[in-house]
Amino acid sequence: SQKIEQNSEALNIQEGKTATLTCNYTNYSPAYLQWYRQDPGRGPVFLLLIRENEKEKRKERLKVTFDTTLKQSLFHITASQPADSATYLCALVRGSGNTGKLIFGQGTTLQVKP
Amino acid sequence: KAGVTQTPRYLIKTRGQQVTLSCSPISGHRSVSWYQQTPGQGLQFLFEYFSETQRNKGNFPGRFSGRQFSNSRSEMNVSTLELGDSALYLCASSLASGTGGFKNIQYFGAGTRLSVL
Repeated sequence: SQKIEQNSEALNIQEGKTATLTCNYTNYSPAYLQWYRQDPGRGPVFLLLIRENEKEKRKERLKVTFDTTLKQSLFHITASQPADSATYLCALVRGSGNTGKLIFGQGTTLQVKP
Repeated sequence: KAGVTQTPRYLIKTRGQQVTLSCSPISGHRSVSWYQQTPGQGLQFLFEYFSETQRNKGNFPGRFSGRQFSNSRSEMNVSTLELGDSALYLCASSLASGTGGFKNIQYFGAGTRLSVL
């Protein structure tokens, strides 16, 4: 069955550097991937969606790539700030049509130090 | 437009009791999904309702059930609570279900923190 793997270890970086988070999946390539941000005690918030035919998507300081050959998506935050500290989750749809359901990775916690 | 509202925010129950959680989706959203989040298992899909019908179900025991009303509001029920049911329960609404692309973007509520003693 389709599985998603994100680095469970926290990522610690210095303010101003670029943070890169990885999302790997098994089996078939999904039609699209979603990335969410979650702060402690709150629900996840949608950030970006990338389709399988899009190699790269950008939104302000955020950039997502999608490599269907490697079965991997990378999430980059450039010029990182302490306010970017949070857990980042990737998600994809398992199944097809109206019975498809969104499954999430475990998330990677990012700590940006000033 | 108001976001997804979950009530209550916090709940303390004892083993064997049952609990009902409530979720009001964003106006116009017909799909409501429920997730359980724990430190060890992450975000686990429970079930999804679309237009009052259960469209999808995750791998949880029958003690977990839900329903959706005609106004898209949804409730989740857990019977015979166990210690392992302690978790953050998140509700999310979206325009559509399944592989709808942008229509399947999940808008989450703040969650209900359930503690089972």
